[in-house]
Amino acid sequence: KQEVTQIPAALSVPEGENLVLNCSFTDSAIYNLQWFRQDPGKGLTSLLLIQSSQREQTSGRLNASLDKSSGRSTLYIAASQPGDSATYLCAASPGAYGNNRLAFGKGNQVVVIP
Amino acid sequence: GAGVSQTPSNKVTEKGKYVELRCDPISGHTALYWYRQSLGQGPEFLIYFQGTGAADDSGLPNDRFFAVRPEGSVSTLKIQRTERGDSAVYLCASSSTGSTGELFFGEGSRLTVL
Repeated sequence: KQEVTQIPAALSVPEGENLVLNCSFTDSAIYNLQWFRQDPGKGLTSLLLIQSSQREQTSGRLNASLDKSSGRSTLYIAASQPGDSATYLCAASPGAYGNNRLAFGKGNQVVVIP
Repeated sequence: GAGVSQTPSNKVTEKGKYVELRCDPISGHTALYWYRQSLGQGPEFLIYFQGTGAADDSGLPNDRFFAVRPEGSVSTLKIQRTERGDSAVYLCASSSTGSTGELFFGEGSRLTVL
């Protein structure tokens, strides 16, 4: 069974600092790796999707890397802003099923201090 | 509508009662997923529909849980004889390209069983 771990569980940073969020997964046979954002009481918003053949994806201030062999992904958020405060969830898609059975971590809860 | 719509947003019920949760996916999306998120945890996969049929229901915890999608659009998650442990946020997601496309989540239905 795929286990996804996210470290740290929670962090606070001053505005303007870069954020580094770590995700590890136990089974390297993944179809893709996705990062989501969740605001309190809300659903999930997809941020980045990295296919298993890719090493990274970028969108604006966000960059996600994937090292399948070591079972790791990192989400970088450059020049953090108070609006980046949220929980960030990492999810691995099993190789045999595509993304219909995502295994999620518990999330990184981020607070950006103005 | 523009996004995935879930109703009710909040449901409080007594132990032993029957509950229905509804999901209206993005128009034209053929794939629909149900996930369950307990407090402080990441979402857990419940069931995946491709069109009208349940392509994968292996995440349903027991036979008290059942889901339907009779016309390939709206889906209803049904929970019989609710237990306190069923309390969670039930998230619905849809995708345009089956099992490998980007997921779009609704805001969830928060179920509280007293």
